Amino acid sequence: GNSVTQMEGPVTLSEEAFLTINCTYTATGYPSLFWYVQYPGEGLQLLLKATKADDKGSNKGFEATYRKETTSFHLEKGSVQVSDSAVYFCALSEKGNTPLVFGKGTRLSVIA
Amino acid sequence: GAVVSQHPSWVICKSGTSVKIECRSLDFQATTMFWYRQFPKQSLMLMATSNEGSKATYEQGVEKDKFLINHASLTLSTLTVTSAHPEDSSFYICSASGGEQYFGPGTRLTVT
Repeated sequence: GNSVTQMEGPVTLSEEAFLTINCTYTATGYPSLFWYVQYPGEGLQLLLKATKADDKGSNKGFEATYRKETTSFHLEKGSVQVSDSAVYFCALSEKGNTPLVFGKGTRLSVIA
Repeated sequence: GAVVSQHPSWVICKSGTSVKIECRSLDFQATTMFWYRQFPKQSLMLMATSNEGSKATYEQGVEKDKFLINHASLTLSTLTVTSAHPEDSSFYICSASGGEQYFGPGTRLTVT
């Protein structure tokens, strides 16, 4: 079956540091890939997505590129802020009306 | 973007009682809605998939008689936790799909 593996946290960074959260996936077809962010006590917000190989999703300074050859979708940000502190989930979906398969989440803490 | 609401946002109930959680797509019609469950500091696990006008499809290990799902219209799905017990305490999140998936803000259930 489909699965998502992302790096274990927690990740603690100083403000303005470079962020990478690794995500790899296993899928039988050609899934769409997503990064969601969850702030404390809140639901999930879509951060970015990519629907086919070599697509780059980007939003709020975050980027991730769909790499079919390495089955990866690593999340990056050049300069993190304290407000980026949250839990980040990598996910995949085969089609629009199929449920998402989530990674375990990576907790990011950014300190001033 | 599309908006999905959940009500209530949090609820505390006594063991043995039932609790109903509503999930509404506010500005689009959702042919499919998904219910997820998230334990503290863990990822989201799919509980069931509901399609408007038909019976929900439950994931393995999810008791359909305990977690009653009704998807009576294209904008509303309900999850009823029957005879709730403390181990049912969790964060329940729905998502609605009309092509793309949009998540509700979640409902925190605490059973005492």
